[in-house]
Amino acid sequence: DGGITQSPKYLFRKEGQNVTLSCEQNLNHDAMYWYRQDPGQGLRLIYYSQIVNDFQKGDIAEGYSVSREKKESFPLTVTSAQKNPTAFYLCASSIGFKGLNYGYTFGSGTRLTVV
Amino acid sequence: AQSVTQLGSHVSVSEGALVLLRCNYSSSVPPYLFWYVQYPNQGLQLLLKYTTGATLVKGINGFEAEFKKSETSFHLTKPSAHMSDAAEYFCAVSQNSGNTPLVFGKGTRLSVIA
Repeated sequence: DGGITQSPKYLFRKEGQNVTLSCEQNLNHDAMYWYRQDPGQGLRLIYYSQIVNDFQKGDIAEGYSVSREKKESFPLTVTSAQKNPTAFYLCASSIGFKGLNYGYTFGSGTRLTVV
Repeated sequence: AQSVTQLGSHVSVSEGALVLLRCNYSSSVPPYLFWYVQYPNQGLQLLLKYTTGATLVKGINGFEAEFKKSETSFHLTKPSAHMSDAAEYFCAVSQNSGNTPLVFGKGTRLSVIA
């Protein structure tokens, strides 16, 4: 079955460490997105990518980095520069950047906790 | 810039009662509008969407929403709440010209009381 896989589901990180969240899709979607979710804040866009080897900053990109070397993969690195990284992270994809009438397909999320 | 306002961070209804979740949007161009549902510790699932055409949109699980341009609203309704409807609901907007990601509201948590 096609879908988006995020791993791991739960992740613990010590302060000062970088950590990478995985997002893989087999839907043949061109566009991929990373959102951060905090209680009462809704979803806030971190980064998005419309095509391989290209990505754009979202509203809260500071302290995060991404890569898009393959169409299927869009990993997110939470760096030590991110001041408050504890959150629920959601990855999503869509058919094409202008194909928004189909909406997004979301992964099941990764809950990151800094200890 | 686009924005979404969901009125009420928490709505509580009795089982069998009408569900009404409010969403107002701001967009300088004709919008695409979406409602998503999220169960605890899971991703978001698309409930329904408005792109063009009929302003009353039917979705999964008996939900529907009506696009009212004059009121810049896209409220979500269900005639009779079920216990399984308890979840968080998000309204989202994008430009129908493309080129911008979805902008989400802060969400409304729906509780259903037996």
